[in-house]
Amino acid sequence: QVQLQESGPGLLKPAETLSLTCSVSGGSISSSYWSWIRQSPGKGLEYIGYIYYSGSTNYNPSLQSRVTISLDTSKTQFSLKLTSVTAADTAVYYCARLEQQLVHGLGYYCMDVWGKGTTVTVSS
Amino acid sequence: DIQMTQSPSSLSASVGDRVTIPCRASQSVSTYLNWYQQKPGKAPRLLIYGASTLESGVPSRFSGSGSGTDFTLTISSLQPEDFATYYCQHSYMTPYTFGQGTKLEIK
Repeated sequence: QVQLQESGPGLLKPAETLSLTCSVSGGSISSSYWSWIRQSPGKGLEYIGYIYYSGSTNYNPSLQSRVTISLDTSKTQFSLKLTSVTAADTAVYYCARLEQQLVHGLGYYCMDVWGKGTTVTVSS
Repeated sequence: DIQMTQSPSSLSASVGDRVTIPCRASQSVSTYLNWYQQKPGKAPRLLIYGASTLESGVPSRFSGSGSGTDFTLTISSLQPEDFATYYCQHSYMTPYTFGQGTKLEIK
C-alpha cells in the first residue's frame, strides 16, 4: 500500500526558498497525479498544485509565480519549491496522491493517500 | 476560484446521535465533491468522493449526499472516534478548494 513521507527544512528566513521532498513507497510513482497541500491557522487547507507522472503540472494561481513541482521517477520522489517565502507561508505542508476514481463513467479526483505532514516556519 | 462554505464551524453532539454537516459551493460543482476527516496532529483522511461514494475502509455510518451547490455529510450514529474536524473540497476544476471545516465536539 502506498505511503508518502515529506522531508525538508523546518525553519526558513523571509525571502529564502522552501524545498520539500515527498518520498513514495509501496507503489509506483509512474501512474498517478501527485499533489501538495498546505494548512495554516489563517487560511485552512490550501491546494498548492500537482504533477502528473508525465511531467505536466498544475498550480494554484495564487502561488503560481513562486511554485515549482517536479518529479524524480528514479528516486520515486516528487518535490516542491516555493521561492521568496514570507511569514504567510508558515504552514504544515502535506504531499498527497491525487487519484481519479471512476463512478458510473465519471472521473472524480480526490486525495486518497496523504503524508503525515511537515511543519515549515518562516521567521527572521 | 470556487468558494466552499461550511457553517457552522463547530457542532456539539453525543455518542449515538445522527449528525449532518453541511457544505455549500459558490457555484455548481455537480457531484465533484469530496469529504475528509482530520484529527488533531494528523493528516486529513478521505471519507467520500463524488459526493456520495464511500472510500474503501470507511465505516458505513458515514454517507454523503447533494449535487450542484449544496452537500451534506451524515454520520448515522456517532462513535467516540468520530469526534474530529470535517472538510469538504470540490474537484470540479482547479484550483481545488476546501471549506474551512466543521469541528465535531462532544456534548
